[in-house]
Amino acid sequence: NAGVMQNPRHLVRRRGQEARLRCSPMKGHSHVYWYRQLPEEGLKFMVYLQKENIIDESGMPKERFSAEFPKEGPSILRIQQVVRGDSAAYFCASSSRQGGFYEQYFGPGTRLTVT
Amino acid sequence: DQQVKQNSPSLSVQEGRISILNCDYTNSMFDYFLWYKKYPAEGPTFLISISSIKDKNEDGRFTVFLNKSAKHLSLHIVPSQPGDSAVYFCAASDPYGNKLVFGAGTILRVKS
Repeated sequence: NAGVMQNPRHLVRRRGQEARLRCSPMKGHSHVYWYRQLPEEGLKFMVYLQKENIIDESGMPKERFSAEFPKEGPSILRIQQVVRGDSAAYFCASSSRQGGFYEQYFGPGTRLTVT
Repeated sequence: DQQVKQNSPSLSVQEGRISILNCDYTNSMFDYFLWYKKYPAEGPTFLISISSIKDKNEDGRFTVFLNKSAKHLSLHIVPSQPGDSAVYFCAASDPYGNKLVFGAGTILRVKS
């Protein structure tokens, strides 16, 4: 399966705990994007990364959220000290950005529930 | 500030007929537009895209039309099938392609 992989698919955390969401891009893709979808809303951009670099983090909350895409391994979205408002679906996308085309291909998402 | 708007929360169409989903945008810097389809508990699936230098792009049953002067695009599905029932998201990209800005989505129901 050469699609975007995300794990876990479902994650339950108590308030104050840490959440780690993982994303492996499609084979051949080196650009990773994270989006968040709150109930009844569209997807909202959070961060865009290339290997070992954060390119655009204009959608990331200023505190508690961080993202990385190391040289080896998946991209990680980390949420520290989670609060109930962090409950949402988090989607990762990847692209190749070749030929001027910017289609992004999405993973199945991680549904985070904060209790 | 909603830069991409899908003003119809839902649309119901008979099987075999045409489905038309609409999308408006406000940012004239957007130069690439995409449509995604999403089933519950799954990620969005890329359907079709269009560059701002074109006014139409076709792929099988799906056609996207772009009217730059009106800042409006539409997705036509002909003929509509029950399996097309899903949420459809319009998205726009700036020239740098660093992020997609999504509309709130339109729920399409195709009745058999």
